[in-house]
Amino acid sequence: QSALTQPASVSGSPGQSITISCTGTSSDVGSYKLVSWYQLHPGEVPKLMIYKDDKRPSGVSDRFSGSKSGNTASLTISGLQAEDEADYYCCSFAGSSTLLFGGGTKLTVL
Amino acid sequence: EVQLVQSGAEVKKPGESLRISCKASTYSLTSKWISWVRQVPGKGLEWMGRIDPSDSYTDYSPSFQGHVSLSVDKSTRTAYLQWSSLKASDTAIYYCARHPWESGNWYFDLWGRGTLVTVSS
Repeated sequence: QSALTQPASVSGSPGQSITISCTGTSSDVGSYKLVSWYQLHPGEVPKLMIYKDDKRPSGVSDRFSGSKSGNTASLTISGLQAEDEADYYCCSFAGSSTLLFGGGTKLTVL
Repeated sequence: EVQLVQSGAEVKKPGESLRISCKASTYSLTSKWISWVRQVPGKGLEWMGRIDPSDSYTDYSPSFQGHVSLSVDKSTRTAYLQWSSLKASDTAIYYCARHPWESGNWYFDLWGRGTLVTVSS
């Protein structure tokens, strides 16, 4: 099992929208509606941002949205804010009761 | 406040054994799976495995099968990650994370703060 593929870094200015992609295969991302996204601020507890491809937990800003097309899932952040600067990881069920993470994307708010 | 409280940082030598813990602060541990996730310094997250505290059933990532073991103590609401023989490559932050109680619960709705394990001679 190889890690899901994410861009190493993305950046955007405050107010803009950015999208982080997460590419897997037909054995993981493409087979199940079970992609989740996590936000990691240094020194803080990781936070669930999106689950089951496109569902947003209560308490998470509606500026965050998830989608999927084929073997690629995406996290979109609209109205970028300084506090969105963090590392973001996608994660997918990969069958056989296993999970796969992406390599992580560092978001920089310019 | 619902939290997963992890044990403190550890410094060990190669070949030593170690058990780190993850305690559910308020909720009943048996109701929700616990996974462990590794983050090597400067690297990404890796799923290691999960345990169902109700019956101690486990699933492991092929990458970690045989090298670590997961367990729980329901009486103390604590999950454990254990090594019998550490390697330098085990140096990492280890997070415990809770799965929600619902169908398709292959994601984490609550994380611990992580335990830094340093293995060095």
